[in-house]
Amino acid sequence: SQKIEQNSEALNIQEGKTATLTCNYTNYSPAYLQWYRQDPGRGPVFLLLIRENEKEKRKERLKVTFDTTLKQSLFHITASQPADSATYLCALDGASSASKIIFGSGTRLSIRP
Amino acid sequence: GAGVSQSPSNKVTEKGKDVELRCDPISGHTALYWYRQSLGQGLEFLIYFQGNSAPDKSGLPSDRFSAERTGGSVSTLTIQRTQQEDSAVYLCASSPRLAGGGAKNIQYFGAGTRLSVL
Repeated sequence: SQKIEQNSEALNIQEGKTATLTCNYTNYSPAYLQWYRQDPGRGPVFLLLIRENEKEKRKERLKVTFDTTLKQSLFHITASQPADSATYLCALDGASSASKIIFGSGTRLSIRP
Repeated sequence: GAGVSQSPSNKVTEKGKDVELRCDPISGHTALYWYRQSLGQGLEFLIYFQGNSAPDKSGLPSDRFSAERTGGSVSTLTIQRTQQEDSAVYLCASSPRLAGGGAKNIQYFGAGTRLSVL
């Protein structure tokens, strides 16, 4: 069955460093991979989307890579700030109009001052 | 408002009672999802509506759970004979679901309904 794993439940890093979160998947060939941010008491908010034929996507301090051979996406936050502390979720989307999106369980990121 | 609206924001009920949770998606969005999220956990898929197609109910945990979407817009998730393990945040999301292959399925979430079953 389809499976998504995010590298760890929690990640704690020093302000100013680069945070790297990992999303691995099996038994799936997504056409797109998405990343979301979720703050406590709120619904997830979309951040970035990357297509299967794209290697890398950037948005301000965010960078996402997508390796369909390794079946892995990496999500980087450069020059991290305490305000970046949140849970980050990856999600897979197939090519079919009938396919539904599948979410990972998330990684809770804490940036300490 | 322009976003996904869920009501109520909080619901406290007694074990055995039925509850209805409502979701108003973004106007024009054809796809609507319901998820359940327990404290500190990821999103558990419940049900998916896409246009006029039959809904994907594969995530519903038991026959006590049902959902409908009227007129391709508002959706109601109903939980009958609630149990304590049903306590969680229920999130609704809608997406434009552009037609054709390689569709973009960016999801816009509501703030959720926090259900507490005593």
